[in-house]
Amino acid sequence: QVQLVESGGGVVQPGRSLRLSCVGSGFTFSNFGMHWVRQAPGKGLEWVAVIWSDGNHKYYADSVKDRFTILRDNSKNTLYLQMDSLRVEDTAVYYCARDRPTLVPDLWFDYWGQGTLVTVSS
Amino acid sequence: DIQMTQSPSTLSASVGDRVTITCRASQSISSWLAWYQQKPGKAPNLLIYKASSLESGVPSRFSGSGSGTEFTLTISGLQPDDFASYYCQQYNRSPPTFGGGTKVEIK
Repeated sequence: QVQLVESGGGVVQPGRSLRLSCVGSGFTFSNFGMHWVRQAPGKGLEWVAVIWSDGNHKYYADSVKDRFTILRDNSKNTLYLQMDSLRVEDTAVYYCARDRPTLVPDLWFDYWGQGTLVTVSS
Repeated sequence: DIQMTQSPSTLSASVGDRVTITCRASQSISSWLAWYQQKPGKAPNLLIYKASSLESGVPSRFSGSGSGTEFTLTISGLQPDDFASYYCQQYNRSPPTFGGGTKVEIK
C-alpha cells in the first residue's frame, strides 16, 4: 500500500534552517510528482511547493519563494524540503503529498503523509 | 491566484441528514476541482477529483457536482464517521489553492 512518512520537524528559532524528509513506499516513487502542503495550527491548507517526477522542475508558493527548496532523491524514494530563513508564520504541520503518475503534475493530491510539525519560535 | 470560497464554514447536522457544502471559484476552473476530508490530527483524505469523480474506496454517499465557478459536495445520509472538516481545491491553474474549509459538526 502507498505510504508517505515525513520526518525532520521540530522547534527552531526565527532565521534558522530546517530540512524535512518524506519517504515514499508502495509505489514507483520516480514516476510521480510530489508536493509539500502545510497547515498552520487551527487554519486551512496551503500549498507550498511541487517538484516534477524527474526533479527538473520546481515551483513554489510566493510565501516561501527564495527561502524554501524542494528536492528529491529518486534512488532513495525520498522527498525533501529545505527551509531557510524561517519565520514565525512558517509554523505549521507540513505534509508531503503525491500527484499523478505524469511528468507534468496535475496539481492534486491522492495520498498524503501523516505530517510533521514545524514550530518557529524564539 | 484563484480564490476558493467555501460555505458554510460550520454546519451542524444529524446522522442520516443530507448535507451540502458549496465551493465557489473566483474565476472559471472548468471541472478541475477536488474535495478532501480531514479529521482532527490527521492528514487530508481525497474524496472527489475532477469535480464529480469518486476516488476509489470512498463511500458512494459522497458525491460532487458543478463546473465553471460553482461546485457542491453532497453527503447523502450522514454517518458518524463523516463528522470532519472538508476542503475544496482547484487545480486548473498554479498555484493550487484551497477553500477555507467546512466543519461538519454533530447537531
